[in-house]
Amino acid sequence: QKEVEQNSGPLSVPEGAIASLNCTYSDRGSQSFFWYRQYSGKSPELIMSIYSNGDKEDGRFTAQLNKASQYVSLLIRDSQPSDSATYLCAVRGEYGGSQGNLIFGKGTKLSVKP
Amino acid sequence: GAVVSQHPSRVICKSGTSVKIECRSLDFQATTMFWYRQFPKQSLMLMATSNEGSKATYEQGVEKDKFLINHASLTLSTLTVTSAHPEDSSFYICSLRWPYNEQFFGPGTRLTVL
Repeated sequence: QKEVEQNSGPLSVPEGAIASLNCTYSDRGSQSFFWYRQYSGKSPELIMSIYSNGDKEDGRFTAQLNKASQYVSLLIRDSQPSDSATYLCAVRGEYGGSQGNLIFGKGTKLSVKP
Repeated sequence: GAVVSQHPSRVICKSGTSVKIECRSLDFQATTMFWYRQFPKQSLMLMATSNEGSKATYEQGVEKDKFLINHASLTLSTLTVTSAHPEDSSFYICSLRWPYNEQFFGPGTRLTVL
């Protein structure tokens, strides 16, 4: 069974620090990787996608992918209280077909303290 | 990213009634839409994949006769919860996949069955 694992947290960091969120996945054939942010009571919002090994930066966010280790991470620099949310890791498999269902982790709750 | 709307955002109904939730793609034609359910403090659970012009594909354990899905056009999919009961109370979220592989979510519908 394909699985995506995340530490549920809560992960607490002080304002201005770097928050590091980690995710591992079981399907070695996975090709697409996503990070979503979900505020309490709201739907998930896509913040990063990554498809190849290495780093991808977008503003304060950096996604890192290591397919050999089946590991994907999200770094948030200069963390702000507004970053406090649950972060969901999602993975799409190689054999997802035209529908390509996403497999979600249970999410890591991040709390940024002022 | 893709813009997805849902209506209503919140609904409260009596046990035994049926509730229809609409999901619209506002900026591109979506042949496939996804319906998720999320219970409090749990991750997203894919319920079904909605295909324009054909029958929906339901995930294991999801009752197709209880959760009716209609994808009548390339911009509209509906989910009808028939004979709703308190255990159906949840956060229902639709989603669609952009041609570029990324998947976006609607704002969600919070259903409360009394």
